[in-house]
Amino acid sequence: DQQVKQNSPSLSVQEGRISILNCDYTNSMFDYFLWYKKYPAEGPTFLISISSIKDKNEDGRFTVFLNKSAKHLSLHIVPSQPGDSAVYFCAASARGAQKLVFGQGTRLTINP
Amino acid sequence: NAGVMQNPRHLVRRRGQEARLRCSPMKGHSHVYWYRQLPEEGLKFMVYLQKENIIDESGMPKERFSAEFPKEGPSILRIQQVVRGDSAAYFCASSELQSSVSGYTFGSGTRLTVV
Repeated sequence: DQQVKQNSPSLSVQEGRISILNCDYTNSMFDYFLWYKKYPAEGPTFLISISSIKDKNEDGRFTVFLNKSAKHLSLHIVPSQPGDSAVYFCAASARGAQKLVFGQGTRLTINP
Repeated sequence: NAGVMQNPRHLVRRRGQEARLRCSPMKGHSHVYWYRQLPEEGLKFMVYLQKENIIDESGMPKERFSAEFPKEGPSILRIQQVVRGDSAAYFCASSELQSSVSGYTFGSGTRLTVV
């Protein structure tokens, strides 16, 4: 039972353009969502998060959008840079829960 | 403080042996979480511990796996009689506060290979 899904295993974007990574969830109890970035042989690094009371959160080049009715969130990176090449994981948690439920990840490649 | 420290970084075990994975949380963090990442998959929650207590082990396989976080020393994830399917990356995270998924800091992981 995959409660958090990232349907695109990979994405390739030109440097300077916008990267859009998508994530869908099924559990209506989820109220907090996070994006992590992961380089090979390293642990996930927190990128940005959003609470279910908001529909947008912005931090520099990174913006996360949440559509609760569609149970969908997306991460926008603009402009994309070569250092953004990594695997991006969407994660969710339910109120009061101590654990995160992760998607399968999307490998983003930024081409010069 | 160099962050969450996991060792070893790589561990090779023969089928039937025991694997012991260690995690030292960040200074001041008393909450530890273990996750497993199978090849080409996302991370999956295994267990959440506070000092000397297991709080949530709902993600732990019923047999062969155990975890502890003693009063002194690192948290240990122990896998007895390893099988090939245990080959994965095991990540530890720590946080300062309860209910603080936003405050998670992950370690670099231990890559277990069972041959």
